Amino acid sequence: DIQMTQSPSTLSASVGDRVTVTCRANQSISSWLAWYQQIPGKPPKLLIFKASNLESGVPSRFSGSGSGTEFTLTISSLQPDDFATYYCQQYSPYSRRTFGQGTKVEIK
Amino acid sequence: EVQLLESGGGLVQPGGSLRLSCAASGFTFSSYTMSWVRQAPGKGLEWVSGLGGSGGNIHYADSVKGRFAISRDNSKNTLYLQMNSLRVEDTADYYCARDRYCSGGSCFMDYWGQGTVVAVSS
Repeated sequence: DIQMTQSPSTLSASVGDRVTVTCRANQSISSWLAWYQQIPGKPPKLLIFKASNLESGVPSRFSGSGSGTEFTLTISSLQPDDFATYYCQQYSPYSRRTFGQGTKVEIK
Repeated sequence: EVQLLESGGGLVQPGGSLRLSCAASGFTFSSYTMSWVRQAPGKGLEWVSGLGGSGGNIHYADSVKGRFAISRDNSKNTLYLQMNSLRVEDTADYYCARDRYCSGGSCFMDYWGQGTVVAVSS
């Protein structure tokens, strides 16, 4: 299975900060990457698919980039609702889908 | 509005069995691949199993292969997960999810249920 590694594991930030989360794959996955947000006690919510496509209804402060083995999720100006855990997930063809271990964004 | 509602979780002893259900509404159920994803307490997400809209194209994670069986009843808009030979490490929240797009059998998920809790303990 393709291994996904996120960094950092925890990130402390303030409202208004620009935040970047990195996700690396141990082999090329082209742009077959999704990002999810999970608030405690809630199911994951799709934010971005195919590395950079914003899901309908997701605020434009969220953006994704990258291809191959390195990807980033950026929040341009952190809002109170954004304190959550973020997961990347690869869905490369003919591979079993796998998630990163998660990045918790907490209040500084 | 797309809705996914899981049920069937509970407390079971190691070696026991449970059957989870996921009732879907708000979309043409038979047109979508569906998946189960689990999350152990305080841990990350782990994809468990998925199957195609017609009930074929079934895949499992290695951790559950041979013990779990996924199925669906499109006449009832319901997805199932039969879990046998349960282990303590199967303790988790189990989420049902709709697969939006699949490439070569691998997919991302656009709607998730609220989850059902499975606790395996003696």
